[in-house]
Amino acid sequence: QQQVKQSPQSLIVQKGGISIINCAYENTAFDYFPWYQQFPGKGPALLIAIRPDVSEKKEGRFTISFNKSAKQFSLHIMDSQPGDSATYFCAASLFWGNQFYFGTGTSLTVIP
Amino acid sequence: DVKVTQSSRYLVKRTGEKVFLECVQDMDHENMFWYRQDPGLGLRLIYFSYDVKMKEKGDIPEGYSVSREKKERFSLILESASTNQTSMYLCASRSPGQGREKLFFGSGTQLSVL
Repeated sequence: QQQVKQSPQSLIVQKGGISIINCAYENTAFDYFPWYQQFPGKGPALLIAIRPDVSEKKEGRFTISFNKSAKQFSLHIMDSQPGDSATYFCAASLFWGNQFYFGTGTSLTVIP
Repeated sequence: DVKVTQSSRYLVKRTGEKVFLECVQDMDHENMFWYRQDPGLGLRLIYFSYDVKMKEKGDIPEGYSVSREKKERFSLILESASTNQTSMYLCASRSPGQGREKLFFGSGTQLSVL
């Protein structure tokens, strides 16, 4: 059973536009929701993360929106740039647990 | 910054061969992970080690084993490689305490089993 569902699978956005990637999770006990960014030939790297005590977290052009009641969270990339072209993975976990459950990934292409 | 090094970027093996994938981290992290990355399936946990000689199965441990004899090194072993084990393998590490929220990944090993 997929613990975290991610959509869309791929996304093409014009430079300067807003990229939005959505995730939904099953386990209401999850209390840590990170997003990882992966460039070709590299391993994923932590981009931004949120705990469920807040509904939004912003770091520069990247924002996580979190809806606890709907068990959904999303990544918004404002003013998308070609350098943002990468694969993005959402994940969910118990903060003090040992396992991260990753979504299936979204391939983002930002067109100049 | 933390460096997680995987010994091979690309590896080609034959069906039935025993395959070793090596991973070394330089930050004295107790926790280390092996993930498998497949298109459309995301990252799936194969094995987790929370300290030397300690390991736990992840979601897809069948056909794999691991070894953690030293803190900095975590090896993934395919006892008898099969074509359905062709994949990208990612090693990761993290601190179990402060900073535990961040996984540090290696660049991956693309394994092809022919």
